[in-house]
Amino acid sequence: GDSVTQMEGPVTLSEEAFLTINCTYTATGYPSLFWYVQYPGEGLQLLLKATKADDKGSNKGFEATYRKETTSFHLEKGSVQVSDSAVYFCALSPTGNQFYFGTGTSLTVIP
Amino acid sequence: EAGVTQFPSHSVIEKGQTVTLRCDPISGHDNLYWYRRVMGKEIKFLLHFVKESKQDESGMPNNRFLAERTGGTYSTLKVQPAELEDSGVYFCASSQARGRVGYTFGSGTRLTVV
Repeated sequence: GDSVTQMEGPVTLSEEAFLTINCTYTATGYPSLFWYVQYPGEGLQLLLKATKADDKGSNKGFEATYRKETTSFHLEKGSVQVSDSAVYFCALSPTGNQFYFGTGTSLTVIP
Repeated sequence: EAGVTQFPSHSVIEKGQTVTLRCDPISGHDNLYWYRRVMGKEIKFLLHFVKESKQDESGMPNNRFLAERTGGTYSTLKVQPAELEDSGVYFCASSQARGRVGYTFGSGTRLTVV
């Protein structure tokens, strides 16, 4: 069945460090891929998405590229800030009706 | 516009008690979804309403869980009787139409069963 595997945390980085959170998926067909973020005390927010192979989603300095050949959608940011501290979830949606999420990766950025 | 609202934000109940969670979707959103994250694991789909009808309830864990959406507006998720393993964060989401653009999620209800 469809599933997402993402890098386990927690991850602690210094401000301005480079961030990579790995995400791989298993799916039949051609799902859309997403990264959601949950800041402390808030709900899940869509960070970025990609709907087909080789698409690159980007937002707030974060990027992820839909790689069909490696079934991956790794999240990257060149220079993290303290305000990026949150839990990040990789997700896929085969049909738009249901999302399959990873376990979440907690990121803490220290000054 | 107002977002998806869930309450309570936190609930602590004893094993065997009943708890009802409520979700108010964005006005006009026909699709409403419930998800659950248990003990730091992945967020899992529970069910999907289209207006007042259950479109897909394949993720409901057992018959102790009952979801309703009377009138196609807000939804409730009742757990009766609650067990320890029901502890987790329950998220609600809504969308105007099917599609891959992503839902709008609420901030979740943290349920602790002791």
